[in-house]
Amino acid sequence: AQKITQTQPGMFVQEKEAVTLDCTYDTSDPSYGLFWYKQPSSGEMIFLIYQGSYDQQNATEGRYSLNFQKARKSANLVISASQLGDSAMYFCAMRELTGTASKLTFGTGTRLQVTL
Amino acid sequence: EAGVTQSPTHLIKTRGQQATLRCSPISGHTSVYWYQQALGLGLQFLLWYDEGEERNRGNFPPRFSGRQFPNYSSELNVNALELEDSALYLCASSVTWDRSYGYTFGSGTRLTVV
Repeated sequence: AQKITQTQPGMFVQEKEAVTLDCTYDTSDPSYGLFWYKQPSSGEMIFLIYQGSYDQQNATEGRYSLNFQKARKSANLVISASQLGDSAMYFCAMRELTGTASKLTFGTGTRLQVTL
Repeated sequence: EAGVTQSPTHLIKTRGQQATLRCSPISGHTSVYWYQQALGLGLQFLLWYDEGEERNRGNFPPRFSGRQFPNYSSELNVNALELEDSALYLCASSVTWDRSYGYTFGSGTRLTVV
């Protein structure tokens, strides 16, 4: 069974600084995808970034990058140059790419607060 | 392109009643997923529908049920509502043929049971 662990319930970061949100995962499927979503207080889930298990390079999307360490089973999200609008819940999620199960499994989330 | 739409935005029901939540996926997406997010908690998987069939369900009692229509829209029904069913219910859609494709979520239905 797949499992996602986010050990940081809350994080603070100053505006313009970088922050790393931790995520570890467990799966027996050799082929999987890792996702990060942002959930502002309004509730909608916004897709940020994707990393495939066979991707050689770490994924980047603008100010977001994913620090993928396959041997350690970690997929940390790095946000550079934090902005006040980055304050939100952040969820790490995984989807096995083979087998019959297709659902995304989410971690418990990290609440990020960006301060002046 | 229209995103995933959910209705209603808010729903207030009395304990014991039934609630019906609706979801329209992105055009071309055949899979619909339902998640429950209780206040301050993560997303708990409820149901997955694809091509009109229920493909998987999470660890929820049978009073949580749903269906998917021929146009791929979906309904989630919650019978015999309990106070702890109060939560944000999120619907997401995706293509089935490429699992590296993530979900696109709707804005959710906030269900309050009083």
